[in-house]
Amino acid sequence: QQQVKQSPQSLIVQKGGISIINCAYENTAFDYFPWYQQFPGKGPALLIAIRPDVSEKKEGRFTISFNKSAKQFSLHIMDSQPGDSATYFCAASLYGGATNKLIFGTGTLLAVQP
Amino acid sequence: ETGVTQSPTHLIKTRGQQVTLRCSSQSGHNTVSWYQQALGQGPQFIFQYYREEENGRGNFPPRFSGLQFPNYSSELNVNALELDDSALYLCASSGQGSEQYFGPGTRLTVT
Repeated sequence: QQQVKQSPQSLIVQKGGISIINCAYENTAFDYFPWYQQFPGKGPALLIAIRPDVSEKKEGRFTISFNKSAKQFSLHIMDSQPGDSATYFCAASLYGGATNKLIFGTGTLLAVQP
Repeated sequence: ETGVTQSPTHLIKTRGQQVTLRCSSQSGHNTVSWYQQALGQGPQFIFQYYREEENGRGNFPPRFSGLQFPNYSSELNVNALELDDSALYLCASSGQGSEQYFGPGTRLTVT
């Protein structure tokens, strides 16, 4: 019940296209869902996050869509650029909980071709 | 405002040895979490420290231990190193709320 399932494992998108990465969770107590971007040899960088009281959050080219009833959320990268090529991780946790440990998905390796 | 820093960057140890990794939290953050990231995997939660006390632990054996200091910096200690301990060790700091900001990590290789 603590798992977060992420798909696809890898993704190739043409420059200017839309990249879509999906995640599903089981624990209905989770109420904080961040996305992280990680470049090789670097730590994960917080990209965007959502709480379940909204169905969508947009920051620049990055949008999170959230479906509480389906227990799914997704990251959309609009106008994908070669610089977006990285590994993306979704995660889930209990917002402001006593121990706000993040449960991570397995990651999606995104390659944006020029 | 400085971000999360970790030291050392890379480390090579022999099986059975002990290692200490260090983390300085982001300015204003009082909570530090440690994660282990094996190659090709997502980070796995090791434990979290808040106000110098362990505040939750993942599925890691007792030979993984930690400390948090009054300035909120933290150490991760691993005893009796095993080959499977080879990984990127990440420190994340947080303040109010759940936003966690990660450092660059320490790459540990156990031979």
